[in-house]
Amino acid sequence: EPEVTQTPSHQVTQMGQEVILRCVPISNHLYFYWYRQILGQKVEFLVSFYNNEISEKSEIFDDQFSVERPDGSNFTLKIRSTKLEDSAMYFCASSAPDRALEKLFFGSGTQLSVL
Amino acid sequence: LAKTTQPISMDSYEGQEVNITCSHNNIATNDYITWYQQFPSQGPRFIIQGYKTKVTNEVASLFIPADRKSSTLSLPRVSLSDTAVYYCLVGYSNYQLIWGAGTKLIIKP
Repeated sequence: EPEVTQTPSHQVTQMGQEVILRCVPISNHLYFYWYRQILGQKVEFLVSFYNNEISEKSEIFDDQFSVERPDGSNFTLKIRSTKLEDSAMYFCASSAPDRALEKLFFGSGTQLSVL
Repeated sequence: LAKTTQPISMDSYEGQEVNITCSHNNIATNDYITWYQQFPSQGPRFIIQGYKTKVTNEVASLFIPADRKSSTLSLPRVSLSDTAVYYCLVGYSNYQLIWGAGTKLIIKP
């Protein structure tokens, strides 16, 4: 089965630093997403991206966050100035272009620790 | 407002059939019912999706009664590797799905 790839698997950073989390979605997919899951808590939607622009975002996705598709294969999440509460597992996901509720393929996540 | 209610945890034994029921009293006409599985430190994995009646694939069945106010995920002949958290989600697009706490399923030998 095709896979979504995320790097790095773990990222440790100091509060206030910028981090970029990277994802390579499945090649023929057109919808891309970022989710996060704080340890022991629920999966939370952050943002969806389609046709080179944000299609939806949650309240969590404030001005500190941005997403980009810098080339034909990568999809990145940038946190400009990290806070302690940004510590979480961040999952990238992608889905095929058929419809908005198409099956999500998740990556294995990046564990972000903000110290 | 939570759209789904499912048991917090369930136990079963290898070789048994496991049924996890989810309540979604406020399901809308356009909503589909989707189930995902998540192992520790991994991303969720799609299991099955349906709109009404019964859907079956190679790993599970999904039973949806006519009123669609509940649904049941059925896992046939579970093994230890089916120990995971199972999420029931209701919605018409991925961005508006609300992920609850899920059902922690523990399979014992």
